[in-house]
Amino acid sequence: DAEITQSPRHKITETGRQVTLACHQTWNHNNMFWYRQDLGHGLRLIHYSYGVQDTNKGEVSDGYSVSRSNTEDLPLTLESAASSQTSVYFCATSPRVGGELFFGEGSRLTVL
Amino acid sequence: AQTVTQSQPEMSVQEAETVTLSCTYDTSESDYYLFWYKQPPSRQMILVIRQEAYKQQNATENRFSVNFQKAAKSFSLKISDSQLGDAAMYFCAYRSVTSNTGKLIFGQGTTLQVKP
Repeated sequence: DAEITQSPRHKITETGRQVTLACHQTWNHNNMFWYRQDLGHGLRLIHYSYGVQDTNKGEVSDGYSVSRSNTEDLPLTLESAASSQTSVYFCATSPRVGGELFFGEGSRLTVL
Repeated sequence: AQTVTQSQPEMSVQEAETVTLSCTYDTSESDYYLFWYKQPPSRQMILVIRQEAYKQQNATENRFSVNFQKAAKSFSLKISDSQLGDAAMYFCAYRSVTSNTGKLIFGQGTTLQVKP
């Protein structure tokens, strides 16, 4: 079965460190999204991509970056982790622009 | 910019009874999609139901149905015959058709407790 795999599922890091969250999908979907989930805010869009070499900023992109070198992967990098980036991060894909989103299982990041 | 509001942070329902979760949204667009997602304690996001704004008929999926009031910009979720497995956080979400970016805008979520 096709799936979306996020890793690590849990990570604790220190302020100032670089962190990369991986997202790998076998759906062969062109569209990939990164959201963060915080209590009281629902899910907020960080970055998204419509295909290889395409990346776009979402509403909360400051402090985050992504790159898309192939269809399957969209890693999310925190260049210098901050305590405000403690959150649960979700990767999602869709088969076409406007289709429903399929979500990974989330990665819980704690920045101390 | 579009916004989605879920004004009920928490709701509870007795097993086998019916509960309605509220969602309102703000948009100037005439064509869009609305979704309800369920997030159980496992954290997995599961699509419950979707509604196309151009359809007048309310969407239904088994025990889940929506009351879509386009003029009022309201999109509530009704869960009938509630089961213990329905306990979860529920998110309402909006997707524009006009901008066609594929992005979903989410509400803050409502935590549903089901009492045996």
